Amino acid sequence: NAGVTQTPKFQVLKTGQSMTLQCAQDMNHNSMYWYRQDPGMGLRLIYYSASEGTTDKGEVPNGYNVSRLNKREFSLRLESAAPSQTSVYFCASTGPSGGYGTNSPLHFGNGTRLTVT
Amino acid sequence: GQQVMQIPQYQHVQEGEDFTTYCNSSTTLSNIQWYKQRPGGHPVFLIQLVKSGEVKKQKRLTFQFGEAKKNSSLHITATQTTDVGTYFCAGRGSNYQLIWGAGTKLIIKP
Repeated sequence: NAGVTQTPKFQVLKTGQSMTLQCAQDMNHNSMYWYRQDPGMGLRLIYYSASEGTTDKGEVPNGYNVSRLNKREFSLRLESAAPSQTSVYFCASTGPSGGYGTNSPLHFGNGTRLTVT
Repeated sequence: GQQVMQIPQYQHVQEGEDFTTYCNSSTTLSNIQWYKQRPGGHPVFLIQLVKSGEVKKQKRLTFQFGEAKKNSSLHITATQTTDVGTYFCAGRGSNYQLIWGAGTKLIIKP
């Protein structure tokens, strides 16, 4: 039981390049989330998927797109990377009995450390 | 918008001393969760508080939720090196989203 798996662990991009961060969970969770973490700012929600087939913007969605490929997988895409997107990105999930907006705790992946030069 | 302020940003303690972090919300929360993040790691869920005035304990950790459900605290008694990390609160707001505090970093002085 791997939990939440994110790939890659590290990535360096040049300004303007694109990339997709992958996330998969094997806990049969309904809801999945993408956060970014910057020093001194805690966690900020980029996008979330309350259930399979739905996605919604979070607090800081500009410059990102997401795809809920199926119940297990939720990917985050940077179409044209900018230095301001240098951050640590975490994928998380909740469920299965509860999902978005419930009392279920978040289960996080190990994160992707992205640097944009 | 809804905010959760967490203080202090850092706390340096000698091993064996106590540690406390506080979270204050601008609005009433339906519940509050606490997470710990070890250096270089990811946040790990510790506990959830739901009821007004609730107090929960996990060994040396004591969690409190205020009577008005706008504030919460985490107190660690007699810190150990294994307690090092950043502690986050996350409150559930009126729109069902989690509102994260900025975290308090616990540093053990050598």
